[in-house]
Amino acid sequence: RKEVEQDPGPFNVPEGATVAFNCTYSNSASQSFFWYRQDCRKEPKLLMSVYSSGNEDGRFTAQLNRASQYISLLIRDSKLSDSATYLCVVNNPTTGRRALTFGSGTRLQVQP
Amino acid sequence: ETGVTQTPRHLVMGMTNKKSLKCEQHLGHNAMYWYKQSAKKPLELMFVYNFKEQTENNSVPSRFSPECPNSSHLFLHLHTLQPEDSALYLCASSSGLVTDTQYFGPGTRLTVL
Repeated sequence: RKEVEQDPGPFNVPEGATVAFNCTYSNSASQSFFWYRQDCRKEPKLLMSVYSSGNEDGRFTAQLNRASQYISLLIRDSKLSDSATYLCVVNNPTTGRRALTFGSGTRLQVQP
Repeated sequence: ETGVTQTPRHLVMGMTNKKSLKCEQHLGHNAMYWYKQSAKKPLELMFVYNFKEQTENNSVPSRFSPECPNSSHLFLHLHTLQPEDSALYLCASSSGLVTDTQYFGPGTRLTVL
């Protein structure tokens, strides 16, 4: 089983649509969770951290379900500029390990 | 602007060349990372440095040799690479805490002929 699994997509949605991405992770001891966004041929950039209580940033809402080891990202009122690949990122707290594990990403294409 | 810079942005090299990638972070972070991103694959962690000490080497071939002279600078020395090493090489930095966010540089797009 992959450490972090995501549906690769692509998700093709019209402008204004609501779209949800899901992610599962394998290590129940993981402590920190993020969604990153990566535009074509660019570096990943932090979109938002994911907290146990769920958190919202404008049109973006992230949820964490520790019991199911599941993370979600909801984008409301999609814009053309939201087109990108969304990476689910989880830390793996192996002793001494300070790195994050990235999912393969879910590609979103918002169409006019 | 993320505060992490990488040079060069693009590099084409032959299999017998020796070249180096450079990364510099201006964020006051203590940990730095090298990642490789090949087409249609997730990011692969290569090396981790924390307070200039290498803490992880993810079974990376010896033709990749990292160097971290201080907490702000990270190099990746390349020699006798293979065409399959062509990829985007990303540097990142973080405060060093396990839970902390990583900030990425723009990457070096490497092509090995």
